[in-house]
Amino acid sequence: DQQVKQNSPSLSVQEGRISILNCDYTNSMFDYFLWYKKYPAEGPTFLISISSIKDKNEDGRFTVFLNKSAKHLSLHIVPSQPGDSAVYFCAASVGAGNMLTFGGGTRLMVKP
Amino acid sequence: DADVTQTPRNRITKTGKRIMLECSQTKGHDRMYWYRQDPGLGLRLIYYSFDVKDINKGEISDGYSVSRQAQAKFSLSLESAIPNQTALYFCATSDLRGNTQYFGPGTRLTVL
Repeated sequence: DQQVKQNSPSLSVQEGRISILNCDYTNSMFDYFLWYKKYPAEGPTFLISISSIKDKNEDGRFTVFLNKSAKHLSLHIVPSQPGDSAVYFCAASVGAGNMLTFGGGTRLMVKP
Repeated sequence: DADVTQTPRNRITKTGKRIMLECSQTKGHDRMYWYRQDPGLGLRLIYYSFDVKDINKGEISDGYSVSRQAQAKFSLSLESAIPNQTALYFCATSDLRGNTQYFGPGTRLTVL
């Protein structure tokens, strides 16, 4: 049973608008969450992370929100750009630096 | 030059053959990991190593073995490949804190 789920396999957004990617988890022990971005023929690259002591972390156009009571996190990209088109994976761990459990990924397509 | 390299990048083999995938890193990290990616399942951990003398099984280690030849090298072997091992394989590294993992470009393996 997947402990980290990304229920939307794909998302299409117009350039300049907001992209919202969602992720749900079931293991209440998870307390550190990350987002990775993956382009075709490349490995995933780290994008942004959040510890459970926070409910928001922002880095430029990227913001991650964490709702611990709902066991839900989301990644907001504002404004979306065509170069953001990629597969996005959320991941979780019990303590920063421990083993990561990944979601299945969401393919984001940003249309010019 | 890439910090984490994987060879080969693509491999087609037949059922029953022995296959070795290699990973090298120049980041000076102690921790190394092997994952496989399947559509909709995200990345799943096969094996990990926290230093040269340390090898640990991950979520899906059956049918695989690893060797940590040096701090910079971590290889994954399929002793007798089977078709359901067809997947994209990624090597990753992290420092001792392990908060962020850095991925290689991946090896696409097809077992016929």
